[in-house]
Amino acid sequence: ETGVTQTPRHLVMGMTNKKSLKCEQHLGHNAMYWYKQSAKKPLELMFVYNFKEQTENNSVPSRFSPECPNSSHLFLHLHTLQPEDSALYLCASTLRGLTGNTIYFGEGSWLTVV
Amino acid sequence: SQQGEEDPQALSIQEGENATMNCSYKTSINNLQWYRQNSGRGLVHLILIRSNEREKHSGRLRVTLDTSKKSSSLLITASRAADTASYFCAGMDSSYKLIFGSGTRLLVRP
Repeated sequence: ETGVTQTPRHLVMGMTNKKSLKCEQHLGHNAMYWYKQSAKKPLELMFVYNFKEQTENNSVPSRFSPECPNSSHLFLHLHTLQPEDSALYLCASTLRGLTGNTIYFGEGSWLTVV
Repeated sequence: SQQGEEDPQALSIQEGENATMNCSYKTSINNLQWYRQNSGRGLVHLILIRSNEREKHSGRLRVTLDTSKKSSSLLITASRAADTASYFCAGMDSSYKLIFGSGTRLLVRP
């Protein structure tokens, strides 16, 4: 248990569906991240939020829409996805302001787009 | 963008042997972190080494960092079958982005 909780753990959705992934941490962290992990590819940074403000959008298609209502919660809204979007989506958090700031990851949400 | 490469991509050793994995990175970093991932699971943080440190130990883990060569190594001593996993290095830059390498798949044979 890292203290970062992701739900759901598994999600199957059609290309016309709208769904959301949720991430929650109560570690007092002030930065949260979404990463995508596809088979045989390195982890890709998607979004970074610092104090609820988005500070990084790594050229992610608009069918992925992040939302950070407060520093403890992060969502990834999914709409009209493609089969190639099937992957493990990992949420992470850290406490900014430290030079030795460990980033903690959740268990991930397995997404299958059919 | 990918931070760097890890070497080797796959490693198979006998239980009890040492495993060494290398990582190179491209940009300036504040620290470098190593993670482990079991199949289909999240990433577990192993160890962090700051840019002003050269070596760090934690249990059976030893990490080195050479900022002049932009490289790091992870040594796992006296490996166990339970160490079988993928290992990733990731460099954190000044904007708190953590960029990962492609990982090393370690198999420890009992």
